[in-house]
Amino acid sequence: SYELTQPLSVSVALGQTARITCGGNNIGSKNVHWYQQKPGQAPVLVIYRDSNRPSGIPERFSGSNSGNTATLTISRAQAGDEADYYCQVWDSSTFYVFGTGTKVTVL
Amino acid sequence: EVQLVQSGAEVKKPGESLKISCKGSGYSFTSYWIGWVRQMPGKGLEWMGIIYPGDSDTRYSPSFQGQVTISADKSISTAYLQWSSLKASDTAMYYCARHREDSSGSFFDYWGQGTLVTVSS
Repeated sequence: SYELTQPLSVSVALGQTARITCGGNNIGSKNVHWYQQKPGQAPVLVIYRDSNRPSGIPERFSGSNSGNTATLTISRAQAGDEADYYCQVWDSSTFYVFGTGTKVTVL
Repeated sequence: EVQLVQSGAEVKKPGESLKISCKGSGYSFTSYWIGWVRQMPGKGLEWMGIIYPGDSDTRYSPSFQGQVTISADKSISTAYLQWSSLKASDTAMYYCARHREDSSGSFFDYWGQGTLVTVSS
């Protein structure tokens, strides 16, 4: 089955840039989507199809995908960006595959 | 405005049955798949299964096949997740979410608020 690996945690200074990686075999050939989950809340889609932002998501959130790694970038990090972030792909045999999740801490 | 509203928190004993719900509004309920996602305490997201309310076509994750039943009543725009015999290990938050599938890929674009299920003797 297809697996997605994320770092357990990422720390970023206020106002700096955080990068969250999502590793998978030839993930660059797939569409990668990212969700943000703040404590006690439901997940929210922040990036779809590698680099597209849904309406209402700040431009500070961006994404890229190539080779075996997809990356979610949070620019000018704010305290409100502290959350768990999950990547996700669709696999034809296992359908939805979620990454292991990354906790982002803003220092 | 698309909304998915889930039923309230449940506290059950092992061996009991349970059915939780997810009511969609603000869009054509029969035109989009609805999925269910489990999140155990302090853990990540796990995809359980998905249903197309238009014809009740259902797919399950192998991890949940036979453990739960997903259904839908299109007349009231509601999807369900049910257990026939709960276990303590079913304690978790359960989310429903609307599946979107197009040239952008397949993902969940709207989520319910979650239903907390606690199973304890």
